[in-house]
Formats: sequence, structure tokens, C-alpha cells
Amino acid sequence: AQSVTQLDSQVPVFEEAPVELRCNYSSSVSVYLFWYVQYPNQGLQLLLKYLSGSTLVKGINGFEAEFNKSQTSFHLRKPSVHISDTAEYFCAVSVGTASKLTFGTGTRLQVTL
Amino acid sequence: GAVVSQHPSWVICKSGTSVKIECRSLDFQATTMFWYRQFPKQSLMLMATSNEGSKATYEQGVEKDKFLINHASLTLSTLTVTSAHPEDSSFYICSARRPGLAGEDEQFFGPGTRLTVL
Repeated sequence: AQSVTQLDSQVPVFEEAPVELRCNYSSSVSVYLFWYVQYPNQGLQLLLKYLSGSTLVKGINGFEAEFNKSQTSFHLRKPSVHISDTAEYFCAVSVGTASKLTFGTGTRLQVTL
Repeated sequence: GAVVSQHPSWVICKSGTSVKIECRSLDFQATTMFWYRQFPKQSLMLMATSNEGSKATYEQGVEKDKFLINHASLTLSTLTVTSAHPEDSSFYICSARRPGLAGEDEQFFGPGTRLTVL
């Protein structure tokens, strides 16, 4: 079975500051890794995914994430956040490219002026 | 990108009634759809995997007689919450799997349905 840990339930940050949202996973097999964003009362939107290849993955809205196999991590970063980035962010894993997803508990990113 | 819709976006019902939620893939055919449940300020929990033309596969602890899933076509899956009770109040989200090149399928999520049972 797989599990995902997002240690930070909330991350407050000022606009234009950099941010890192942490994600660690556990699995006995190789996994695919995803980051999703959820705005209030909406479904999930894919930010980026790691399937294979380069460990640095670039996504939409200026986000990127780095897969670190030795540390079993897939932290999400953005060099300069905007107010509109305020949302809930979920890290997820699957054993297939579109198999059922196991989600972390989410991190609330709150961007203020 | 691919679009997945859900209907209704929100519903309020009385305890004991049944509620049907539809999930549609609008611009692609989805042989597989997933149903998730999300409690306030919590993560998404997979309830079941819906396969077109066959029975759904339910996750452990999910009552299949309580949450009826029908995937009658390649673009539509429905979730019926039977004899709903207040503890069934939640945000229900579906996703649909779109086949991709080189086996890189991808899941696309619907906007969710907020169910409130009085």
C-alpha cells in the first residue's frame, strides 16, 4: 500500500515570497507522483506530475517540484507567489499513470499582502 | 484540456431520501471513472472505481448497497446515495480516466457535488 504525508497543514506566506510545500511518500513499489490544486468548492486541477525522466518537473502557474527517490519526497516550490495562489494543495501517488490515487491530507497555502 | 462535469453542483435533501449524482466526460470517452468523498478540511478518499459495462469496485469500508454506482456508457457514471442520512453529507468528486499516448493515461476531475442531508 502507498501513503502520502503532507506535514504542513497550513503555510502562510507574503505575496512575491518563495514557497515550498512538502510531500513525502511511502511505497514498496515504484510510484507516480502528482500535485493538485483545489480552489474553494471546486474539483481538483493538476499542477504537475512525475512519471519518469528528469527529477525536476515544471507545471502550470509557475510551480515546479523535484522528485527525490532517496528521501522519498516530492516537494512543490514556487519562487514568487501571488494572491491568486491561495488554495488547498494536495500531493498524491499512484502505481499506474491513471490508477486510483492516494492523497495526502493537503496543505492550505494562504498568500497575503 | 479534457472536461468532466458533475450534476448537480449542490443538493439538499431530507433524511431517508435517495440522491443521484451524475459525472460526465464531455469531450472524451472514459472506460474508468473514480468516485471520491471529501469531508470539510480533509483529503479526498476514494470510494469506488467505476468501469463501463461492469460492476464497480468498492474500497474497503464503503457500503456498496448504500452508494450505488452505475457506469452505463463511456461518458456517464452515476452515484446514488440511497436512504441518505446526515452523516452522508459531504463533497463528492468524480474523476474520469482519459487514455493517453504511450500508456500515459490521465485523470480529470469534476467540479464536485456538495450534498447536505437534513
